Amino acid sequence: DIQMTQSPSTLSASVGDRVTITCRASQSISGWLAWYQQKPGKAPKLLIYKASSLDSGVPSRFSGSGSGTQFTLTISSLQPDDFATYYCQQYKTYWTFGQGTKVEIK
Amino acid sequence: EVQLVESGGGLVQPGRSLRLSCTASGFTFGDYTITWLRQAPGKGLEWVGFIRNKRDGGTPEYAASVKGRFTVSRDDSKSIAYLQMNSLKTEDTAVYYCTRDPPPFVWGQGTLVTVSS
Repeated sequence: DIQMTQSPSTLSASVGDRVTITCRASQSISGWLAWYQQKPGKAPKLLIYKASSLDSGVPSRFSGSGSGTQFTLTISSLQPDDFATYYCQQYKTYWTFGQGTKVEIK
Repeated sequence: EVQLVESGGGLVQPGRSLRLSCTASGFTFGDYTITWLRQAPGKGLEWVGFIRNKRDGGTPEYAASVKGRFTVSRDDSKSIAYLQMNSLKTEDTAVYYCTRDPPPFVWGQGTLVTVSS
């Protein structure tokens, strides 16, 4: 099974900050990686797929990069609506998710 | 509008069965693999299983935690996928989601399954 490790688990930041979340795969997944945002009581919202492709309607302050085993999600300027939990997901072999990163208000 | 809607959740006793439905609209259902996931209260996301589209064989795959107890199926004529859950355990309590694959992935809003006596 492919394991996904996200860091940090929690991140405290202020509006306007640049935020980076890291995801590492236990083996190469090429670019078969997605990022989601989830708010309490809601379904996960797809932000990025194929490591760097922005889903339709997602603000351009979100970006993804990486390939192989190391990936990052960057929010260039954190907005009030961005405080949420973020998950990475590999879909090379079945699906596996990272444990999540909670972005909190500093 | 592309949409997936889960239904069929509820309160069920351990050892009993429940069938969830995933009703699709706004796209050609038969062209997509349908994947089921779940999220236990306060926990992360877990892949449950999927059923491939007919072109790719229409076959299912399951996570080890549900293999032998859960069955995924599909009715392309109705644009509905099903998750039959048998021998339910308390640890199966979760919000269950269906999605379509390949990306961009579209998720339903989820349906809550509570397994409790």
